[in-house]
Amino acid sequence: DTGVSQDPRHKITKRGQNVTFRCDPISEHNRLYWYRQTLGQGPEFLTYFQNEAQLEKSRLLSDRFSAERPKGSFSTLEIQRTEQGDSAMYLCASSLGTPYNEQFFGPGTRLTVL
Amino acid sequence: GQNIDQPTEMTATEGAIVQINCTYQTSGFNGLFWYQQHAGEAPTFLSYNVLDGLEEKGRFSSFLSRSKGYSYLLLKELQMKDSASYLCAVLNDYKLSFGAGTTVTVRA
Repeated sequence: DTGVSQDPRHKITKRGQNVTFRCDPISEHNRLYWYRQTLGQGPEFLTYFQNEAQLEKSRLLSDRFSAERPKGSFSTLEIQRTEQGDSAMYLCASSLGTPYNEQFFGPGTRLTVL
Repeated sequence: GQNIDQPTEMTATEGAIVQINCTYQTSGFNGLFWYQQHAGEAPTFLSYNVLDGLEEKGRFSSFLSRSKGYSYLLLKELQMKDSASYLCAVLNDYKLSFGAGTTVTVRA
């Protein structure tokens, strides 16, 4: 257990439905990241928050994806109008930024879109 | 762009040594991480290198050559529990770019 928690751990949904995932980072960590991982691949960067500010959003993140970190603590990732290609593991990570920005990963939310 | 290459699979015997190579070409570099990931679980931190040379941490060691864009992870005295995927990741400012991972299978 790294101290980063994610909810739910698994989500099965039908194509076209909206889903929302939650991430609770390690409490003193000001940096929060979302990654997506598909089978046989490494995680791919989606977006990054420093405190409540979203500082970067990958081109992988279409307009159907939105992430928030309203009070600089927990974060949510919403996918609207899900597609089968969205099926993946969604990983959240957090870090302090120093001394070398080690990122601690949560257990992930596995999304299956039918 | 980012290009990070590592072998797809490796197999070794319990008690042996395995070396996982990683080569990278990235637009920026602030260090290289190795993570271990068991099936269905989160990646967990193994090592970090930012300067050239070898970092040793118990049974695991990691080496970096920045001029060659090359790193390796050395796993000694392999145990069955070391069967996992090993991910090489390059840090560029705050963002990690990962290789596809090397699946290591340890056989008795």
